[in-house]
Amino acid sequence: QVQLVESGGGVVQPGRPLRLSCAASGFTFNNYAMDWVRQAPGKGLEWVAVTSYEGGNKYYADSVKGRFTISRDNFKNMLYLEMDSLRVEDTAVYYCARAVPRGGLDIWGQGTTVIVSS
Amino acid sequence: DIQMTQSPSSLSASIGDRVTISCRASQDISNYLVWYQQKPGKVPKLLIYAASTLQSGVPSRFSGSGSGTDFTLTISSLLPEDVATYYCQKYDSAPHTFGPGTKVDIK
Repeated sequence: QVQLVESGGGVVQPGRPLRLSCAASGFTFNNYAMDWVRQAPGKGLEWVAVTSYEGGNKYYADSVKGRFTISRDNFKNMLYLEMDSLRVEDTAVYYCARAVPRGGLDIWGQGTTVIVSS
Repeated sequence: DIQMTQSPSSLSASIGDRVTISCRASQDISNYLVWYQQKPGKVPKLLIYAASTLQSGVPSRFSGSGSGTDFTLTISSLLPEDVATYYCQKYDSAPHTFGPGTKVDIK
């Protein structure tokens, strides 16, 4: 079945890096743009980044620009989020999600939790 | 960047009530607007795309309307399983900003 599974979350000190992964299965991964979305505890959804289907175009929220890098490996059906210079305010559940051309994110992973704390 | 707002931030309604949630973009986004439902402890679910097209499998009591800067999500007859937070999101160009959400519960 169509599935996205995130991994790589954990507890990390401020200023340290962390890499999140998202494994896709059940669909032709390289046909879809992919997004990262996060949700801080008790807060709303915050869009983080998007990569085009072939990885050539990438866009970021201002809050993470210059610190986070989205990438993908279409041979391995994997999506990544490299997070550098982490801040306490980056603490959140991070979701990867499939973007559909008509608009919107139709498939979501279960999320991976990142806690930035000293 | 275009900002997204939603109103109200929360509402309580009775079973069977018609519920309306508004979403406003600070600039024209045509119909590049989607709605999500997030039940407590669950992953968001895509309800409506292109402002008014129902995602496959979504009950017909949900509907969306609007274009340009003003959009509406309507639940025609509220059911207990509709308790959730509802988010709009712009999808014309990056950043794909979400609205702050509207929490719906039962009176």
